[in-house]
Amino acid sequence: NAGVTQTPKFQVLKTGQSMTLQCAQDMNHNSMYWYRQDPGMGLRLIYYSASEGTTDKGEVPNGYNVSRLNKREFSLRLESAAPSQTSVYFCASSEGGLFYGYTFGSGTRLTVV
Amino acid sequence: AQSVAQPEDQVNVAEGNPLTVKCTYSVSGNPYLFWYVQYPNRGLQFLLKYITGDNLVKGSYGFEAEFNKSQTSFHLKKPSALVSDSALYFCAVRDINDYKLSFGAGTTVTVRA
Repeated sequence: NAGVTQTPKFQVLKTGQSMTLQCAQDMNHNSMYWYRQDPGMGLRLIYYSASEGTTDKGEVPNGYNVSRLNKREFSLRLESAAPSQTSVYFCASSEGGLFYGYTFGSGTRLTVV
Repeated sequence: AQSVAQPEDQVNVAEGNPLTVKCTYSVSGNPYLFWYVQYPNRGLQFLLKYITGDNLVKGSYGFEAEFNKSQTSFHLKKPSALVSDSALYFCAVRDINDYKLSFGAGTTVTVRA
């Protein structure tokens, strides 16, 4: 089925470890986004990519890096995980125009101990 | 800057009763408004959107939303709620100057049998 695929679905890290969350979309969308979801705080934008080859910081970029590898793939890297990064991470994509909403992946539940 | 407020953290209704989830927004120009639903351990799913035209917008699963420009509101409604409507609902807004969506904190809906 067409959509946004995130891997892994679950991950436990120790403080200081690094990891990369993978995201791929097969809808030929131009824009891609990484959000984190925390109880009572809704969705907060970490990084986004308006189009292939560009990336920009969102509301909460500290501790993260991203790579827009090609039009399909947008990865999120935690260089040195901290307990404050325990969260559910969602990748989303959009055609990029004003009229379009987002298509979300199913999320990655990350726990940092 | 654009922003969204969902004034109620939780909404509880009995099955068969009307359901309303409130949303107010702030934008610098004309708003583009969206509602999403999130079922447990799932990603967000698109319900409906308002771009222009009729103030009453119909969407998936029998939901509708009413755009009110004077009150800067976009409340989600369902005439007769089902137990299966129990989920987390997010309102989102975009204005003409920013293609990124801003999300509210979410409202948890519980429909009791």
